[in-house]
Amino acid sequence: ETGVTQTPRHLVMGMTNKKSLKCEQHLGHNAMYWYKQSAKKPLELMFVYSLEERVENNSVPSRFSPECPNSSHLFLHLHTLQPEDSALYLCASSQETHPSTEAFFGQGTRLTVV
Amino acid sequence: RKEVEQDPGPFNVPEGATVAFNCTYSNSASQSFFWYRQDCRKEPKLLMSVYSSGNEDGRFTAQLNRASQYISLLIRDSKLSDSATYLCVVNPDNAGNNRKLIWGLGTSLAVNP
Repeated sequence: ETGVTQTPRHLVMGMTNKKSLKCEQHLGHNAMYWYKQSAKKPLELMFVYSLEERVENNSVPSRFSPECPNSSHLFLHLHTLQPEDSALYLCASSQETHPSTEAFFGQGTRLTVV
Repeated sequence: RKEVEQDPGPFNVPEGATVAFNCTYSNSASQSFFWYRQDCRKEPKLLMSVYSSGNEDGRFTAQLNRASQYISLLIRDSKLSDSATYLCVVNPDNAGNNRKLIWGLGTSLAVNP
């Protein structure tokens, strides 16, 4: 079983749909993250949760809504997305939020908005 | 100037070659530096942290040049399995949290038989 698991691996949704991405970490980490990776752009940090509390929201549009019900699970709720939101969405976790701690990534959800 | 800049490549090298990548950063106060590796259609994985004194892990050597504000990654005796994109990551102000990490676009390496 991998340390950080994301589902689904692929998702195609219409602009009026509502969907959720799920992330689960089995590493006992205290911090979890959502990143967006678009073609020809560097990884963009979207949200940071530390001990289930959101500590960072990097000016992400409200059509992306994160939820962290416990330290092992992280969700990203999607609604009324735009085609430019199509990207690879990566979840990561680390023991703590200090930059010296290694971040472990899930395999990502490849999202296509049509 | 971009906060973190890498030559996107691709670098095409034969097996056994030595190859080096540089990554420049704009904030001279940056303290923490990392190289991640991302295989095609996979997630990034930490390759190595970069320390002021430089560090080596097997065939991989990472170095920091503060005066010129760049970090480097040297791969010796390249293997086919080294083919991947190498991402440079910089913490620009050493704040005590991961949210300050700035990621480069990555350098693509293809090792050919």
